Formats: sequence, structure tokens, C-alpha cells
Amino acid sequence: AQSVTQLDSHVSVSEGTPVLLRCNYSSSYSPSLFWYVQHPNKGLQLLLKYTSAATLVKGINGFEAEFKKSETSFHLTKPSAHMSDAAEYFCVVSGSFKTIFGAGTRLFVKA
Amino acid sequence: EAGVTQSPTHLIKTRGQQATLRCSPISGHTSVYWYQQALGLGLQFLLWYDEGEERNRGNFPPRFSGRQFPNYSSELNVNALELEDSALYLCASSLLENTEAFFGQGTRLTVV
Repeated sequence: AQSVTQLDSHVSVSEGTPVLLRCNYSSSYSPSLFWYVQHPNKGLQLLLKYTSAATLVKGINGFEAEFKKSETSFHLTKPSAHMSDAAEYFCVVSGSFKTIFGAGTRLFVKA
Repeated sequence: EAGVTQSPTHLIKTRGQQATLRCSPISGHTSVYWYQQALGLGLQFLLWYDEGEERNRGNFPPRFSGRQFPNYSSELNVNALELEDSALYLCASSLLENTEAFFGQGTRLTVV
């Protein structure tokens, strides 16, 4: 069985400070993991994906995520938040005919 | 290259009616996924079609159904609409399982 848990429903950071969005997953095999971003009134866009290659994955807009099998985590980070990063972020686990989205984390960026 | 297109963008129906939502995947993509994004509930997986067959469905009642056509486009049908069916319905397509899914802009369904 697969599941994905985003540990924070809301995260608030100040512009220029680091961003950490947490995601834990469970899977009975090696899944593919993704982070998507949804800006207000826009569709979902892929930020990055892990598919059993390098454990540190770099994505668009300065985001990256590290796959940690021992911790079953795939946390999303960015060194310095920008106002345009304010959006909803979804962690996704995929495999064995099933794709599951996390509940989402809304990121607020304060000036 | 055209992305995933969904129609209509907005749909207003009354309770008890049927709604039909359409999705055209990216050319060459054989997998189509449907999701419901209701206010406060995040993205809920509805259905997954691949090569014309239903591969998996989420925890939704049977009045949510769909199909995939030979050209890989897809329809989502919702029968006996209820007020709580009001949501943004997103369609996504991908080339293969476990690869990146590309999303359409969604159909906003409002049931009154």
C-alpha cells in the first residue's frame, strides 16, 4: 500500500529565508516521488521528481528535495524564499498503477 | 505543442443532473488521470485510464464514471449530482506510469 503525508498544512516564511516543506511517504516498493506546485487560479506544475537515480534532486525555481529511504522522507527545500513562491505544494508518490497526492502545504511568504 | 486541454472551463448544474467533463491529453500520452480538488480537501484521485482501459479508481461512488476513447481523450461523467460535487476537476496525462504528469487547467463544476 502507498500513502503520502505532508506534515504541515501551512508554512509561513519571510522573504529571503529558507523554505522547508515536509513530506513522508510509505510504499511497499521503490516508488517515484514528485513535488508539484499550484499557484492561485493556475494549473499544477511539476517542480521536481525522484525516480531512483540521485537522491538529491534539483528542480525548477531553485527548489530541491532529498530522498531519504531510511526516513521515508522527501522534503522540499529552497535556500531563499521569494514572494513568487507563495503557492500550494503537493508531494506525490506514484507506482503500481496508483498515484497519490498529499493533502498539500500552503506556503505563505511575508515581505 | 499543445498541453492538456479540458472543457468546459466552467460548468453549472443543478442537483440531480448529470455532468460531462472532457479532457484531451498531450499528443502521444496514453495515460489520463482525473482528480477532484474540493475546497479544503486537497487533490483526490478519481480515475486512471491507460490504453482505453480503467486501471484504477479512487474512493468515489459509482456515479462517478468515465471512459477513454481510441484517440486517448477522456470523459468524466458524474451522475445524480450532489451539492458536495462542486469542485475543480483536474485532468492530467502522462506517457508512462511513474513519469511526469502534465495537468490541464481544470473544469470548475458548481452544483446548485
